[in-house]
Amino acid sequence: DAKTTQPTSMDCAEGRAANLPCNHSTISGNEYVYWYRQIHSQGPQYIIHGLKNNETNEMASLIITEDRKSSTLILPHATLRDTAVYYCIVKGSNYKLTFGKGTLLTVNP
Amino acid sequence: NAGVTQTPKFQVLKTGQSMTLQCAQDMNHEYMSWYRQDPGMGLRLIHYSVGAGITDQGEVPNGYNVSRSTTEDFPLRLLSAAPSQTSVYFCASRSVGLAGGEQYFGPGTRLTVT
Repeated sequence: DAKTTQPTSMDCAEGRAANLPCNHSTISGNEYVYWYRQIHSQGPQYIIHGLKNNETNEMASLIITEDRKSSTLILPHATLRDTAVYYCIVKGSNYKLTFGKGTLLTVNP
Repeated sequence: NAGVTQTPKFQVLKTGQSMTLQCAQDMNHEYMSWYRQDPGMGLRLIHYSVGAGITDQGEVPNGYNVSRSTTEDFPLRLLSAAPSQTSVYFCASRSVGLAGGEQYFGPGTRLTVT
């Protein structure tokens, strides 16, 4: 599976959009981009995933560049409860998820 | 649905003791896995299973055994606990499909080995 690069930490004001970037320049054609988050001490929670088209669900939007070498997770109206570590994971056809260190997003009042 | 459940929530062991961490899911998922998470680190895969009777090693399998006799249960056994196994352990499950879909995680077991 391709490796990913994320910033170590980011801040966001409550009510504003949080844009979390992820680089995955070695991604191959059949690999998906997944986003999970982990709120302090809890098990990771699935957010969204996509292959090449932009995706949106009730939690977030995922924007994947046309060359698929990077993506951005967008939380449209961040709340204090969105403070968490966000993991960007690129995964192929096998079942395993490989977690990096992720981005600590802190939402400030 | 209870989702993925793990017991116990907390455990303290002495070096050399053995124990089993329990994991169960009620979603009829074929794939189950165990991760450990050390302070300030991401999750690392210990063992996984793609169905009853089938298990395989992940990134950090040493010191752990697993078995999968039913679809629902995937216990993790520590054979002889060591302080290096102090960690938070997460079990996860998912359905096997074309794109896989989301993986569901349990609440974790916090293990301390003294």
